[in-house]
Amino acid sequence: AQSVTQLDSQVPVFEEAPVELRCNYSSSVSVYLFWYVQYPNQGLQLLLKYLSGSTLVKGINGFEAEFNKSQTSFHLRKPSVHISDTAEYFCAVKRYSSASKIIFGSGTRLSIRP
Amino acid sequence: SAVISQKPSRDICQRGTSLTIQCQVDSQVTMMFWYRQQPGQSLTLIATANQGSEATYESGFVIDKFPISRPNLTFSTLTVSNMSPEDSSIYLCSFDSGDTEAFFGQGTRLTVV
Repeated sequence: AQSVTQLDSQVPVFEEAPVELRCNYSSSVSVYLFWYVQYPNQGLQLLLKYLSGSTLVKGINGFEAEFNKSQTSFHLRKPSVHISDTAEYFCAVKRYSSASKIIFGSGTRLSIRP
Repeated sequence: SAVISQKPSRDICQRGTSLTIQCQVDSQVTMMFWYRQQPGQSLTLIATANQGSEATYESGFVIDKFPISRPNLTFSTLTVSNMSPEDSSIYLCSFDSGDTEAFFGQGTRLTVV
């Protein structure tokens, strides 16, 4: 079975400051890793995904994440946040299979202060 | 990428009634998933459905409460039956195109009074 732990339920940061949202996962098999964003009153949008290859993955809106197999982590980072980044961020894993479900973490609410 | 249309986007329902949520995809997809997101919580998988077969429900969810239909490869419905205030949540459909990525509908925000 797979599981995902997001260590911070809320992260407040000032505008233009850097941010890191932490994610650790547990799995006995190989998995794909994802970060999704949910803006207020909207559905989920894929930020980025790690499938294989380079451990540094770049996504939309200036976000990036680094896969660390030894630490089973997939932390999300952005060097300078904007007010529009205020949202809920979900880390997720999916077993290597085209028909497997996605397991979500509990989410991190990112709030940006002007 | 697939485009998913989910409706209704929101509804307020009386307890004891049922609501059917529809998801339409603009291309044929293999797997379909229905998730529930309770207030302030993450997404929890309700069930997985293939076209032409019974849905597979996760622990804690039963077909009598959340019947699912999947009549073809572009459409699915989830019914929330005999609703109570505890069913107030956002319900999202998701399609797995057979690739590594899942696409989500915009969600149905359900309030049961």
